[in-house]
Amino acid sequence: QVQLVQSGAEVKKPGASVKVSCKASGYTFTGYYMHWVRQAPGQGLEWMGWINPNSGGTNYAQKFQGRVTMTRDTSISTAYMELSRLRSDDTAVYYCARDKGGQLVLLWWFDPWGQGTLVTVSS
Amino acid sequence: SSELTQDPAVSVALGQTVRITCQGDSLRSYYASWYQQKPGQAPVLVIYGKNNRPSGIPDRFSGSSSGNTASLTITGAQAEDEADYYCNSRDSSGNHLGVVFGGGTKLTVL
Repeated sequence: QVQLVQSGAEVKKPGASVKVSCKASGYTFTGYYMHWVRQAPGQGLEWMGWINPNSGGTNYAQKFQGRVTMTRDTSISTAYMELSRLRSDDTAVYYCARDKGGQLVLLWWFDPWGQGTLVTVSS
Repeated sequence: SSELTQDPAVSVALGQTVRITCQGDSLRSYYASWYQQKPGQAPVLVIYGKNNRPSGIPDRFSGSSSGNTASLTITGAQAEDEADYYCNSRDSSGNHLGVVFGGGTKLTVL
């Protein structure tokens, strides 16, 4: 079955960077866009951007431009999201989510989601 | 970017029908999708496109759209439907290749 498994929880100091991984299985990794979404404690969902796993092309939400980098390693079917210059308000659960469109068609419907990675930013 | 607006909280009696709405300009151009999130869990897609359910989602969940409003309807709500529900759609302004989410609706089943 299609599955996304993310890396474990992280604790970082302000100003540091964090890199979260998302390992895909059960489908052709290079055939579907991958999105990243975060959720601060007690808050709603916030879209961060997507990566085309085939070309490596990316599109980031304006809010994160200059601080976020999405990459992938096709040899191990894994997507990565790196966020730099961390602040306390970056404390959140970070999710990867596969776009539902196949053959590299963007549909902006997310299915499935990874289990989430808690990133805590604290001095 | 455009915005999607949801009521923060809605309640429904067990077995009754409830509609959760999502409003925004992007919905005039693009379909919404809907996600159910239970405490401590990742979101799950329940409705996408015009009115499609992923496999495993009960048929009591349905979607509709009119103008700038999308709706998620649960016909015969069950106790296990108590959760937060989020809508999203493609962004229609600013980042046209991006996504906007609603703020979420907390559904209580009484």
